[in-house]
Amino acid sequence: EAGVVQSPRYKIIEKKQPVAFWCNPISGHNTLYWYLQNLGQGPELLIRYENEEAVDDSQLPKDRFSAERLKGVDSTLKIQPAELGDSAVYLCASSLGTDKVYNEQFFGPGTRLTVL
Amino acid sequence: DAKTTQPPSMDCAEGRAANLPCNHSTISGNEYVYWYRQIHSQGPQYIIHGLKNNETNEMASLIITEDRKSSTLILPHATLRDTAVYYCIVRVGQLVFGQGTRLTINP
Repeated sequence: EAGVVQSPRYKIIEKKQPVAFWCNPISGHNTLYWYLQNLGQGPELLIRYENEEAVDDSQLPKDRFSAERLKGVDSTLKIQPAELGDSAVYLCASSLGTDKVYNEQFFGPGTRLTVL
Repeated sequence: DAKTTQPPSMDCAEGRAANLPCNHSTISGNEYVYWYRQIHSQGPQYIIHGLKNNETNEMASLIITEDRKSSTLILPHATLRDTAVYYCIVRVGQLVFGQGTRLTINP
């Protein structure tokens, strides 16, 4: 069974440029998460989707970050414009079911973003 | 959310048991203890979780004290591939990661 797929794996951009990350969750998983991980820190939740609905986006900086999950499968996270402080690893995870009952989260390998 | 306290780093010899402690003294009765690990350049990986009873699977064992204020993750025969950051998480629903314990397995 294929795991969570993310692309690209690495991205280098100049500040003020836009950037987008793509995630394909495990087939059948209706909950999808985007996390941000700074160097030496644990992952921090940005947004959680249940199917196509964003049920928790309280930690998403909405002035420059946006996300979508059309058709409740793939998801895209966008930053526009990127700032130097956005350099980090962006992780996508998926789980079967919802967070009302705990379900194991499966993580992708992440996208390492470097903003110059 | 219950906060967790873990040592920032630990070392263990290859082939020995690695015992990773976690304190969660403010845990509530319905909060589970989860363990994930993150190998370098990979996303976190689920290891095990429990509520009250000790748990064991093919990767590890989880020992939770009777008062549930602390737990220990045990890797019975550590290998070099177990070198990773180990996160102890106590939460209902959402996972909230701390800084974890950086475990180094030495040959």
